[in-house]
Amino acid sequence: DSGVTQTPKHLITATGQRVTLRCSPRSGDLSVYWYQQSLDQGLQFLIQYYNGEERAKGNILERFSAQQFPDLHSELNLSSLELGDSALYFCASSDRSNEQFFGPGTRLTVL
Amino acid sequence: AQKVTQAQTEISVVEKEDVTLDCVYETRDTTYYLFWYKQPPSGELVFLIRRNSFDEQNEISGRYSWNFQKSTSSFNFTITASQVVDSAVYFCALSEGDDKIIFGKGTRLHILP
Repeated sequence: DSGVTQTPKHLITATGQRVTLRCSPRSGDLSVYWYQQSLDQGLQFLIQYYNGEERAKGNILERFSAQQFPDLHSELNLSSLELGDSALYFCASSDRSNEQFFGPGTRLTVL
Repeated sequence: AQKVTQAQTEISVVEKEDVTLDCVYETRDTTYYLFWYKQPPSGELVFLIRRNSFDEQNEISGRYSWNFQKSTSSFNFTITASQVVDSAVYFCALSEGDDKIIFGKGTRLHILP
């Protein structure tokens, strides 16, 4: 158990809908990272937050957004969902050592 | 640009055989980190090792060993006396410090009983 929690574990929704994925980092970790794992793109970095501020951006679509709250939990919002957004979404957190600890993931299925 | 190449898409070996997973990376930075993660069928990512660019010493942890060679930009992973429970997808990854992790495409390892 990495200490990073993600909810929900599974999510099934329809095209065009909007969903929110939630991540709680390990106690004391200020950085949160979001990754997407899809069959065609593999594991890709989406975005990083550090203590509430956006720190780095990767291959994140404009339909996707994220934020980190004062209690350090983070949410990834996916809107206007398409079939291709079906993937496993991982959250990771890190402390000053920069070692990233991954959550169990949220499996999103868009029908 | 950062890049991680795992040329072996899929490997099958019989239990108790040794197997080496190859990883070649590209980076312009002199300071970076290399990782190996295991993803079993259940889907979670299991951290195996992190190595910084200044430490080329090989590492052994039980049946697992890692060979880091900066001269060839490789960070290979060997499982000795493989077991069925080692069946998983293994990812090699690269990070240039306080930043995103770039993953390779992964190698799917099948250990046959």
